[in-house]
Amino acid sequence: DVKVTQSSRYLVKRTGEKVFLECVQDMDHENMFWYRQDPGLGLRLIYFSYDVKMKEKGDIPEGYSVSREKKERFSLILESASTNQTSMYLCASSPNRAIKGNTEAFFGQGTRLTVV
Amino acid sequence: DQQVKQNSPSLSVQEGRISILNCDYTNSMFDYFLWYKKYPAEGPTFLISISSIKDKNEDGRFTVFLNKSAKHLSLHIVPSQPGDSAVYFCAAPGDFGNEKLTFGTGTRLTIIP
Repeated sequence: DVKVTQSSRYLVKRTGEKVFLECVQDMDHENMFWYRQDPGLGLRLIYFSYDVKMKEKGDIPEGYSVSREKKERFSLILESASTNQTSMYLCASSPNRAIKGNTEAFFGQGTRLTVV
Repeated sequence: DQQVKQNSPSLSVQEGRISILNCDYTNSMFDYFLWYKKYPAEGPTFLISISSIKDKNEDGRFTVFLNKSAKHLSLHIVPSQPGDSAVYFCAAPGDFGNEKLTFGTGTRLTIIP
Protein backbone atom coordinates (compact mmCIF):
# COMPACT_ATOMS: atom_id res chain seq x y z
CA ASP A 1 0.00 0.00 0.00
CA VAL A 2 1.51 3.26 -1.12
CA LYS A 3 2.05 5.88 1.51
CA VAL A 4 2.76 9.51 2.14
CA THR A 5 3.25 10.09 5.83
CA GLN A 6 3.25 13.43 7.60
CA SER A 7 4.92 13.53 10.98
CA SER A 8 2.07 15.12 12.94
CA ARG A 9 -1.72 15.30 12.63
CA TYR A 10 -2.06 18.29 14.96
CA LEU A 11 0.46 20.89 16.10
CA VAL A 12 0.15 23.97 18.29
CA LYS A 13 3.04 26.43 18.18
CA ARG A 14 3.72 29.88 19.54
CA THR A 15 4.24 32.99 17.42
CA GLY A 16 7.90 33.36 16.49
CA GLU A 17 8.78 29.69 16.88
CA LYS A 18 10.60 27.81 14.14
CA VAL A 19 8.38 24.96 12.97
CA PHE A 20 9.33 21.84 11.03
CA LEU A 21 6.76 19.76 9.15
CA GLU A 22 8.10 16.47 7.86
CA CYS A 23 6.84 14.35 5.01
CA VAL A 24 8.05 10.92 3.89
CA GLN A 25 6.95 8.89 0.87
CA ASP A 26 7.75 5.26 0.12
CA MET A 27 6.94 5.20 -3.60
CA ASP A 28 10.29 6.41 -4.99
CA HIS A 29 8.53 9.46 -6.45
CA GLU A 30 10.57 12.26 -7.97
CA ASN A 31 8.10 15.09 -7.27
CA MET A 32 7.04 16.26 -3.85
CA PHE A 33 4.76 19.15 -2.93
CA TRP A 34 3.65 21.20 0.06
CA TYR A 35 0.20 22.81 0.01
CA ARG A 36 -1.90 24.64 2.50
CA GLN A 37 -5.67 24.47 2.52
CA ASP A 38 -7.77 27.36 3.78
CA PRO A 39 -11.57 27.78 3.53
CA GLY A 40 -12.60 29.25 0.20
CA LEU A 41 -9.04 29.26 -1.13
CA GLY A 42 -8.60 25.63 -2.11
CA LEU A 43 -5.17 24.02 -2.15
CA ARG A 44 -2.41 26.56 -2.64
CA LEU A 45 1.07 25.40 -3.55
CA ILE A 46 3.80 26.58 -1.20
CA TYR A 47 6.85 24.77 -2.61
CA PHE A 48 7.58 21.99 -5.05
CA SER A 49 10.61 19.73 -5.47
CA TYR A 50 11.34 17.61 -8.54
CA ASP A 51 14.55 16.01 -7.31
CA VAL A 52 16.89 15.80 -4.34
CA LYS A 53 18.15 19.26 -3.33
CA MET A 54 15.97 20.88 -6.03
CA LYS A 55 13.11 23.20 -5.12
CA GLU A 56 10.81 25.67 -6.78
CA LYS A 57 8.57 28.29 -5.28
CA GLY A 58 4.87 27.80 -5.56
CA ASP A 59 2.17 30.44 -5.33
CA ILE A 60 2.66 31.42 -1.67
CA PRO A 61 6.28 30.77 -0.58
CA GLU A 62 6.65 33.80 1.68
CA GLY A 63 7.45 32.85 5.25
CA TYR A 64 8.34 29.27 4.32
CA SER A 65 11.38 27.32 3.24
CA VAL A 66 11.89 23.67 2.32
CA SER A 67 14.56 21.01 2.40
CA ARG A 68 14.94 17.86 0.35
CA GLU A 69 18.15 16.07 1.31
CA LYS A 70 16.85 12.59 0.48
CA LYS A 71 14.48 11.50 -2.26
CA GLU A 72 11.87 10.18 0.15
CA ARG A 73 11.75 13.15 2.54
CA PHE A 74 10.51 16.70 2.01
CA SER A 75 10.46 19.13 4.92
CA LEU A 76 8.56 22.38 5.23
CA ILE A 77 10.02 25.00 7.57
CA LEU A 78 8.25 27.99 9.02
CA GLU A 79 11.16 30.23 9.95
CA SER A 80 9.18 32.34 12.43
CA ALA A 81 5.60 31.17 12.82
CA SER A 82 2.84 33.74 12.63
CA THR A 83 -0.88 33.48 13.32
CA ASN A 84 -1.71 33.82 9.62
CA GLN A 85 0.12 30.53 9.06
CA THR A 86 -2.56 28.68 11.01
CA SER A 87 -3.84 26.24 8.42
CA MET A 88 -4.08 22.65 7.21
CA TYR A 89 -0.80 21.62 5.57
CA LEU A 90 -0.79 18.84 3.00
CA CYS A 91 2.17 17.02 1.53
CA ALA A 92 1.94 15.12 -1.75
CA SER A 93 4.19 13.13 -4.06
CA SER A 94 3.98 12.05 -7.68
CA PRO A 95 6.22 10.28 -10.18
CA ASN A 96 7.96 12.16 -12.97
CA ARG A 97 5.55 12.20 -15.93
CA ALA A 98 8.31 12.02 -18.53
CA ILE A 99 9.62 8.80 -16.98
CA LYS A 100 6.51 7.09 -15.69
CA GLY A 101 3.64 8.57 -17.67
CA ASN A 102 0.50 10.21 -16.42
CA THR A 103 -0.54 9.15 -12.97
CA GLU A 104 -1.98 10.67 -9.85
CA ALA A 105 -0.34 12.41 -6.94
CA PHE A 106 -0.73 10.87 -3.51
CA PHE A 107 -1.39 12.91 -0.40
CA GLY A 108 -0.55 12.56 3.24
CA GLN A 109 -3.21 12.81 5.92
CA GLY A 110 -2.51 16.48 6.60
CA THR A 111 -1.18 18.48 9.54
CA ARG A 112 -3.50 20.93 11.25
CA LEU A 113 -1.17 23.67 12.52
CA THR A 114 -2.38 26.28 14.97
CA VAL A 115 -0.13 29.24 15.77
CA VAL A 116 -1.06 31.08 18.95
CA ASP B 1 -3.55 34.23 -12.20
CA GLN B 2 -5.63 31.21 -11.33
CA GLN B 3 -5.14 28.65 -14.06
CA VAL B 4 -7.71 26.18 -12.76
CA LYS B 5 -11.07 27.51 -11.59
CA GLN B 6 -14.08 26.03 -9.90
CA ASN B 7 -16.73 28.72 -9.86
CA SER B 8 -19.28 26.93 -7.68
CA PRO B 9 -18.17 26.81 -4.05
CA SER B 10 -21.04 24.53 -3.08
CA LEU B 11 -23.65 22.21 -4.55
CA SER B 12 -26.54 20.30 -2.97
CA VAL B 13 -28.07 17.28 -4.70
CA GLN B 14 -30.78 14.83 -3.73
CA GLU B 15 -29.64 11.27 -3.09
CA GLY B 16 -30.02 9.15 -6.22
CA ARG B 17 -29.83 12.11 -8.59
CA ILE B 18 -26.91 13.20 -10.76
CA SER B 19 -24.23 15.52 -9.35
CA ILE B 20 -22.36 17.65 -11.88
CA LEU B 21 -19.24 19.50 -10.79
CA ASN B 22 -17.55 21.92 -13.15
CA CYS B 23 -14.00 23.12 -13.70
CA ASP B 24 -12.49 25.61 -16.14
CA TYR B 25 -8.85 26.11 -17.03
CA THR B 26 -6.93 28.80 -18.85
CA ASN B 27 -3.64 27.10 -19.71
CA SER B 28 -4.02 25.42 -23.10
CA MET B 29 -0.81 23.47 -22.43
CA PHE B 30 -2.50 21.34 -19.78
CA ASP B 31 -2.81 17.81 -21.18
CA TYR B 32 -3.94 15.79 -18.18
CA PHE B 33 -6.58 16.49 -15.57
CA LEU B 34 -7.45 14.88 -12.26
CA TRP B 35 -10.32 15.02 -9.78
CA TYR B 36 -9.75 14.58 -6.07
CA LYS B 37 -12.18 14.12 -3.22
CA LYS B 38 -11.49 15.41 0.26
CA TYR B 39 -13.18 14.72 3.58
CA PRO B 40 -12.60 17.05 6.56
CA ALA B 41 -9.33 16.48 8.44
CA GLU B 42 -8.06 14.05 5.80
CA GLY B 43 -5.78 14.34 2.79
CA PRO B 44 -7.34 14.43 -0.70
CA THR B 45 -7.80 11.09 -2.44
CA PHE B 46 -7.63 10.57 -6.17
CA LEU B 47 -10.94 9.92 -7.90
CA ILE B 48 -10.59 9.91 -11.68
CA SER B 49 -8.46 11.44 -14.41
CA ILE B 50 -8.59 12.22 -18.12
CA SER B 51 -5.99 12.77 -20.78
CA SER B 52 -6.47 15.58 -23.28
CA ILE B 53 -6.58 13.06 -26.13
CA LYS B 54 -9.91 11.85 -24.79
CA ASP B 55 -13.21 13.60 -24.23
CA LYS B 56 -14.65 11.16 -21.71
CA ASN B 57 -13.45 8.76 -19.05
CA GLU B 58 -15.73 6.60 -16.96
CA ASP B 59 -15.14 4.66 -13.74
CA GLY B 60 -18.22 3.18 -12.12
CA ARG B 61 -20.51 5.98 -10.96
CA PHE B 62 -17.97 8.65 -11.92
CA THR B 63 -17.53 10.10 -15.40
CA VAL B 64 -15.30 12.99 -16.39
CA PHE B 65 -15.95 14.95 -19.58
CA LEU B 66 -13.41 17.20 -21.26
CA ASN B 67 -14.25 19.96 -23.74
CA LYS B 68 -10.89 21.25 -24.93
CA SER B 69 -12.26 24.01 -27.15
CA ALA B 70 -14.11 25.47 -24.17
CA LYS B 71 -11.28 24.64 -21.74
CA HIS B 72 -13.86 23.03 -19.51
CA LEU B 73 -14.20 19.74 -17.70
CA SER B 74 -16.96 18.29 -15.61
CA LEU B 75 -17.36 15.44 -13.17
CA HIS B 76 -20.65 13.53 -13.18
CA ILE B 77 -21.63 11.33 -10.27
CA VAL B 78 -24.64 9.13 -10.79
CA PRO B 79 -26.43 8.02 -8.75
CA SER B 80 -25.29 10.32 -5.94
CA GLN B 81 -24.91 8.71 -2.53
CA PRO B 82 -24.57 10.22 0.99
CA GLY B 83 -20.93 9.11 1.15
CA ASP B 84 -20.22 11.37 -1.83
CA SER B 85 -20.62 14.43 0.42
CA ALA B 86 -17.14 15.97 0.38
CA VAL B 87 -15.10 18.73 -1.22
CA TYR B 88 -14.08 18.00 -4.81
CA PHE B 89 -11.01 19.52 -6.44
CA CYS B 90 -9.97 19.48 -10.05
CA ALA B 91 -6.24 19.66 -10.79
CA ALA B 92 -3.76 19.74 -13.64
CA PRO B 93 0.00 19.07 -13.70
CA GLY B 94 2.42 21.28 -15.60
CA ASP B 95 4.55 20.34 -18.55
CA PHE B 96 7.23 17.71 -18.45
CA GLY B 97 10.11 19.18 -16.49
CA ASN B 98 7.88 21.55 -14.55
CA GLU B 99 5.27 19.30 -13.04
CA LYS B 100 3.67 21.64 -10.53
CA LEU B 101 0.21 20.35 -9.72
CA THR B 102 -2.31 23.21 -9.78
CA PHE B 103 -5.65 22.87 -8.01
CA GLY B 104 -8.96 24.67 -8.26
CA THR B 105 -10.60 26.17 -5.18
CA GLY B 106 -12.93 23.22 -4.72
CA THR B 107 -16.66 22.56 -4.67
CA ARG B 108 -18.37 21.32 -1.52
CA LEU B 109 -20.92 18.68 -2.52
CA THR B 110 -23.72 17.85 -0.10
CA ILE B 111 -25.96 14.87 -0.84
CA ILE B 112 -29.38 15.25 0.74
CA PRO B 113 -30.92 11.93 1.88
